[in-house]
Amino acid sequence: GQQVMQIPQYQHVQEGEDFTTYCNSSTTLSNIQWYKQRPGGHPVFLIQLVKSGEVKKQKRLTFQFGEAKKNSSLHITATQTTDVGTYFCAYPNKLVFGAGTILRVKS
Amino acid sequence: SQTIHQWPATLVQPVGSPLSLECTVEGTSNPNLYWYRQAAGRGLQLLFYSVGIGQISSEVPQNLSASRPQDRQFILSSKKLLLSDSGFYLCAWSVIGRGTGNTIYFGEGSWLTVV
Repeated sequence: GQQVMQIPQYQHVQEGEDFTTYCNSSTTLSNIQWYKQRPGGHPVFLIQLVKSGEVKKQKRLTFQFGEAKKNSSLHITATQTTDVGTYFCAYPNKLVFGAGTILRVKS
Repeated sequence: SQTIHQWPATLVQPVGSPLSLECTVEGTSNPNLYWYRQAAGRGLQLLFYSVGIGQISSEVPQNLSASRPQDRQFILSSKKLLLSDSGFYLCAWSVIGRGTGNTIYFGEGSWLTVV
């Protein structure tokens, strides 16, 4: 069935460093969503990308959708301790989530 | 505004015992409803989804079942729990059908430990 592969599985960064998680699909996606799950919490919607090559920003977070609509990335500039959690990409049309990237920030 | 309630928040159940997790959505009509499971530190696995009362689709063969007795009520059940059923269970809803990219809203989750 439809899958979205997400890497890395885990990343531990020093506060102030940048962080990026990547999501890839073998097939073209009509859209892609990103969610954040704080430790002990539930996933919360962050953003949806629809257009080829689309780039959206939310403060220190930058979301990109590839030109071929087969990959996406989430980049956090200058991480803070409040950024800790698991970041998931998702293809909602197939109700599929990536495995998630766990981000830990060391202060 | 729409809200989703899920309970119980945590439970510890012996192997072989039954399970019932309940979820209700308020503030919307005819939502699509979902049950996901998340093993510790892992991704989200879709278990069941429902597009209407009495309509349940199962994504993964297992000893769990789901029912939707009312439009905004979704129940996850098991007759006999296995150790492997332990995990974090998340109820969720969305507005439009499966073929569109609407946002999925999750409940607070239920932590199940089977001992």
